[in-house]
Amino acid sequence: KAGVTQTPRYLIKTRGQQVTLSCSPISGHRSVSWYQQTPGQGLQFLFEYFSETQRNKGNFPGRFSGRQFSNSRSEMNVSTLELGDSALYLCASSRRGGPNEQFFGPGTRLTVL
Amino acid sequence: DQQVKQNSPSLSVQEGRISILNCDYTNSMFDYFLWYKKYPAEGPTFLISISSIKDKNEDGRFTVFLNKSAKHLSLHIVPSQPGDSAVYFCAASAREAGGGGSNYKLTFGKGTLLTVNP
Repeated sequence: KAGVTQTPRYLIKTRGQQVTLSCSPISGHRSVSWYQQTPGQGLQFLFEYFSETQRNKGNFPGRFSGRQFSNSRSEMNVSTLELGDSALYLCASSRRGGPNEQFFGPGTRLTVL
Repeated sequence: DQQVKQNSPSLSVQEGRISILNCDYTNSMFDYFLWYKKYPAEGPTFLISISSIKDKNEDGRFTVFLNKSAKHLSLHIVPSQPGDSAVYFCAASAREAGGGGSNYKLTFGKGTLLTVNP
């Protein structure tokens, strides 16, 4: 069974630009969650999508948004990039969502210059 | 306000000995706890979990202990192996107020880098 895939793996952008990251969950998984990992803050929850609906949201500004498609694939968008948005963005999928094991992708390393 | 704390950023242990990773939490609504392991350039991998109705859960070399009164959990790895060298994250979840079904979200600690020396 293929794991969670994320594209692109690496991305370099400049301040003010916007970026879209993509996540394909494990087949059959309907829940996709997004996390931001930085050295200072660790892993922070961004949002969770389940059956194309945002079900949970973390404490991030509105510049961070996401969506989920009918095939459960998910995209995350960050607009008006800031230097502090440089981070590893991880997506995780699970069959139903909830606290049980989530399967993480390898992440997208975003660098904002 | 950091609700899940891993106060040791790093831990070094000899191969064959016990590794003990600690985690403290402040939110009394947390009712499910998980440990993840992360290698460089890979996403975190689920290791073991425990529900708040239990105080211990064991899976092979990994045991998680939960002390609800102290709001503390720990992960024991026995015996430690060099391949266990990784960053370990503690995570906790609570059912969101007003939500139904599976409205959970995970709150992670900042991680502890475990190094197991041969």
